[in-house]
Amino acid sequence: TQLLEQSPQFLSIQEGENLTVYCNSSSVFSSLQWYRQEPGEGPVLLVTVVTGGEVKKLKRLTFQFGDARKDSSLHITAAQPGDTGLYLCAESSGNTPLVFGKGTRLSVIA
Amino acid sequence: EAQVTQNPRYLITVTGKKLTVTCSQNMNHEYMSWYRQDPGLGLRQIYYSMNVEVTDKGDVPEGYKVSRKEKRNFPLILESPSPNQTSLYFCASTKAGGHGYTFGSGTRLTVV
Repeated sequence: TQLLEQSPQFLSIQEGENLTVYCNSSSVFSSLQWYRQEPGEGPVLLVTVVTGGEVKKLKRLTFQFGDARKDSSLHITAAQPGDTGLYLCAESSGNTPLVFGKGTRLSVIA
Repeated sequence: EAQVTQNPRYLITVTGKKLTVTCSQNMNHEYMSWYRQDPGLGLRQIYYSMNVEVTDKGDVPEGYKVSRKEKRNFPLILESPSPNQTSLYFCASTKAGGHGYTFGSGTRLTVV
């Protein structure tokens, strides 16, 4: 089973600051997904990246897939309290189901 | 509305009393999967199914059973629950090809 390392594990920032969280593996990803999970709810898909070097934007969130497809990052610009949650990366190699990282728990303080 | 529905949301039970957590999806997805989420351990896969009558073990299958008799349903069965199965459980589904899973809202199980 492929292991995904996410960093940092915890992050607490002030509203308006920028931040980046990371997802790394020693193996090549087939495709990578980012999810956000709020307390008491299931993870919700934010984006899927497939191509090495790919960059996707979702409002203030920018997702990047490394050229070698072994790492990914999520950058949030001007964080807001509504961004608070657990950010999870997950990898699915074609027909095999998701393997998740342990997540980055983000707290944005107003 | 496209969704994955789990029931119950909360359950407290006693050691050894068989229970079933139901999961149903209305999106005609081929893949379905069960995860448990524990502090410090993250989301770990219990069982998954790639289609009707096809199931396979995930990373932590001990103490669990599943069945996939119909495409829309994927129940999780605990034949003899133990306290170490106290956890938050999620069911998820996706179309074949792995383009993003839809998760249920979770079942918080406590075994005393």
